[in-house]
Amino acid sequence: GQQVMQIPQYQHVQEGEDFTTYCNSSTTLSNIQWYKQRPGGHPVFLIQLVKSGEVKKQKRLTFQFGEAKKNSSLHITATQTTDVGTYFCASAQGSSASKIIFGSGTRLSIRP
Amino acid sequence: GAVVSQHPSRVICKSGTSVKIECRSLDFQATTMFWYRQFPKQSLMLMATSNEGSKATYEQGVEKDKFLINHASLTLSTLTVTSAHPEDSSFYICSARVGTSTTGELFFGEGSRLTVL
Repeated sequence: GQQVMQIPQYQHVQEGEDFTTYCNSSTTLSNIQWYKQRPGGHPVFLIQLVKSGEVKKQKRLTFQFGEAKKNSSLHITATQTTDVGTYFCASAQGSSASKIIFGSGTRLSIRP
Repeated sequence: GAVVSQHPSRVICKSGTSVKIECRSLDFQATTMFWYRQFPKQSLMLMATSNEGSKATYEQGVEKDKFLINHASLTLSTLTVTSAHPEDSSFYICSARVGTSTTGELFFGEGSRLTVL
């Protein structure tokens, strides 16, 4: 099946700095979802992108879907300690694109 | 948003015993539920898709006789780890979509941390 590669694996930033994580696929994706998992917690849905070149914003978070629908990024402006966690991209796969396969994740830690 | 409840949150068992994990959709019906497994500091690996009233669909490499999945109602799916061994120790998380939708966000349970001694 499709594989979605996510980079970087880890990111350690000073509070207030920006953070970006990238997902890349060798094949065209029908959509891409982003989830956040806090340490010890379960994944929580952030957003879904469907259209080529789509950009969505949620406060300090900006999500992009590439024009070719093969890559996506999540950018956090001016990180805060509450942003700590692992961010996963995920894509729909399977015959009916009904199952969600997760990328490897980027673990964000923040120096106060 | 929709709520998915998973029980137990933590379980410790002896090697060779079986453990059942329940996943319930509390305020919605879920035709399909998904079971994931997560090792420490790793991603979520899809184990199987649980379909109400029919057999589960297992991902490649997942033993269906070891990880028994039952989806007897629109609000309950269970995962039974049979004859558990230490290498089965992991974080098991279920998720579901609302109704019969095949797209859209997944709602996750709180997860069940299994430790096999």
